[in-house]
Amino acid sequence: DQQVKQNSPSLSVQEGRISILNCDYTNSMFDYFLWYKKYPAEGPTFLISISSIKDKNEDGRFTVFLNKSAKHLSLHIVPSQPGDSAVYFCAASARNQGGKLIFGQGTELSVKP
Amino acid sequence: EPEVTQTPSHQVTQMGQEVILRCVPISNHLYFYWYRQILGQKVEFLVSFYNNEISEKSEIFDDQFSVERPDGSNFTLKIRSTKLEDSAMYFCASSEMISPGANVLTFGAGSRLTVL
Repeated sequence: DQQVKQNSPSLSVQEGRISILNCDYTNSMFDYFLWYKKYPAEGPTFLISISSIKDKNEDGRFTVFLNKSAKHLSLHIVPSQPGDSAVYFCAASARNQGGKLIFGQGTELSVKP
Repeated sequence: EPEVTQTPSHQVTQMGQEVILRCVPISNHLYFYWYRQILGQKVEFLVSFYNNEISEKSEIFDDQFSVERPDGSNFTLKIRSTKLEDSAMYFCASSEMISPGANVLTFGAGSRLTVL
């Protein structure tokens, strides 16, 4: 039961350009969405989040957009840097499910110099 | 910056053996979690723990698994009789749980378990 889906296993972008990572979800009870970044041999690191009452949240080079009607969110990184190369996980939680996070499969971003 | 620490970083064990994975959550966090990631797959929820008891567990977390907070700092995951399919990276996480609707988990670096 894949409640959170990241359909692109990988993405390659040129340095300086925009990276767009996508995520879809099926559970309409999800009300909080997060993006985590993971380097090899490390745990996931929190990047940015958005509540379901918003449609956009921005933090420096990172912006998350939420389209509730489409049950879709995306992470924009601009400009992309080689150090952004990592696996990005989308995660979601529901207030009535105790705050546990449900993760997508991840998208491996490669930013080429 | 406060961090979640996990030991060991890698453990190799024989099928049928017991394994204990250890975690030291962030000191002021009250909610603790175990997740696992089988190679090439997504990060899966195993169990959440609050106030010295399990809050929620997934279908994966069967009778072979147990969690414990033996003292004020450690949080452990025990697998009683390991199976080949238990081979995975196990992540511990903790959170302040300011609100169930805005819960940010901080993860450790993981413990890689290899069952032979």
